Amino acid sequence: AQSVTQLGSHVSVSEGALVLLRCNYSSSVPPYLFWYVQYPNQGLQLLLKYTTGATLVKGINGFEAEFKKSETSFHLTKPSAHMSDAAEYFCAVSPSSNTGKLIFGQGTTLQVKP
Amino acid sequence: DVKVTQSSRYLVKRTGEKVFLECVQDMDHENMFWYRQDPGLGLRLIYFSYDVKMKEKGDIPEGYSVSREKKERFSLILESASTNQTSMYLCASSLWLASGDNEQFFGPGTRLTVL
Repeated sequence: AQSVTQLGSHVSVSEGALVLLRCNYSSSVPPYLFWYVQYPNQGLQLLLKYTTGATLVKGINGFEAEFKKSETSFHLTKPSAHMSDAAEYFCAVSPSSNTGKLIFGQGTTLQVKP
Repeated sequence: DVKVTQSSRYLVKRTGEKVFLECVQDMDHENMFWYRQDPGLGLRLIYFSYDVKMKEKGDIPEGYSVSREKKERFSLILESASTNQTSMYLCASSLWLASGDNEQFFGPGTRLTVL
């Protein structure tokens, strides 16, 4: 069965520092990959997604992610953290069987310190 | 813009009550989903519907049922609420695309407390 692993359930950075949230997936074929963000007491909203084409994907709020097939990774980065980035982040993959469902990682809570 | 709405943001119910959580989407999506979210456990799929009157059990269907009588509306039913069903409930919808680009759109969530 396909799976998504997010390394680190909690990540803490200082304001202005690089944000790196890790996501690895298991898939026998190139999947569709997604990053979602959830602010406190809200639903999830899409940050960015990889479908086909360019492996570096730019999203909202200055975030980007790079699809690396050889490493089966889709890590999320932002050059300079802002206090408003504090949230929970979920990586997800659309399985190759295309059931219509997404497989979500366990989530990473990002804390931004002043 | 796609909009997914949930009937309540916060709900407090008593043990044994029958609870209805409603979800409506306005983008003619085929797929609709109910998840529950608990600290440390991520998102867990309760039920999935891929068409009107069609449903499929997710990872944790016990204690829940669903209803989809119209394409835009997907209801989650707790037949007899229990304290271990206190959680955040998230509804989502998506198109079904042969490509696999099944981006899901989420509602704001319902925080249910069962006393």
